[in-house]
Amino acid sequence: GAGVSQSPRYKVTKRGQDVTLRCDPISSHATLYWYQQALGQGPEFLTYFNYEAQPDKSGLPSDRFSAERPEGSISTLTIQRTEQRDSAMYRCASSRDRVGTQYFGPGTRLLVL
Amino acid sequence: QQQVKQSPQSLIVQKGGISIINCAYENTAFDYFPWYQQFPGKGPALLIAIRPDVSEKKEGRFTISFNKSAKQFSLHIMDSQPGDSATYFCAAMKGAQKLVFGQGTRLTINP
Repeated sequence: GAGVSQSPRYKVTKRGQDVTLRCDPISSHATLYWYQQALGQGPEFLTYFNYEAQPDKSGLPSDRFSAERPEGSISTLTIQRTEQRDSAMYRCASSRDRVGTQYFGPGTRLLVL
Repeated sequence: QQQVKQSPQSLIVQKGGISIINCAYENTAFDYFPWYQQFPGKGPALLIAIRPDVSEKKEGRFTISFNKSAKQFSLHIMDSQPGDSATYFCAAMKGAQKLVFGQGTRLTINP
């Protein structure tokens, strides 16, 4: 595709509900990253994929957070039993390979009430 | 632990002036230092990047100055224009690992 796309752009949910966010990377890109960005802060790394492999999950805040990229293209980030502190912008980025420039999507703004 | 510290948090510059944003890092293993520009409603976009084997890199009106011994690097925007108004993030990376971002600087260029 022309760029990284994410859906939904906005998500409002109630505390305790599960949410799934989607990222569609640039089609030729092997590497896909997920970041969490709090208001007024820079993005913070959550996890990344190299094709379908997930070598680094070190940034995931708790076991309520999980990500998948089963066919090495589209990825989903799932947050189970959401809490108010999960409210943030969730950004996806993709790159040609692990050392290439990261191209960011527009993000999904999650609000947990 | 904040590995990349960015300042100032916000900056107002007159049109035609020089905008300067500073970053300091802790991990001497970092070997790639990009700057990202982010407009409202958009994701960060790579603006310019430098590796520690050079002290300066210039692309048009944008220059990165890098001081390895001080573990600091800065972004200079010459002849700042209203269209440069955005949030700027410095970042650092080691090898092929994750990007570590600074807190961001909201830059406003007054016409």
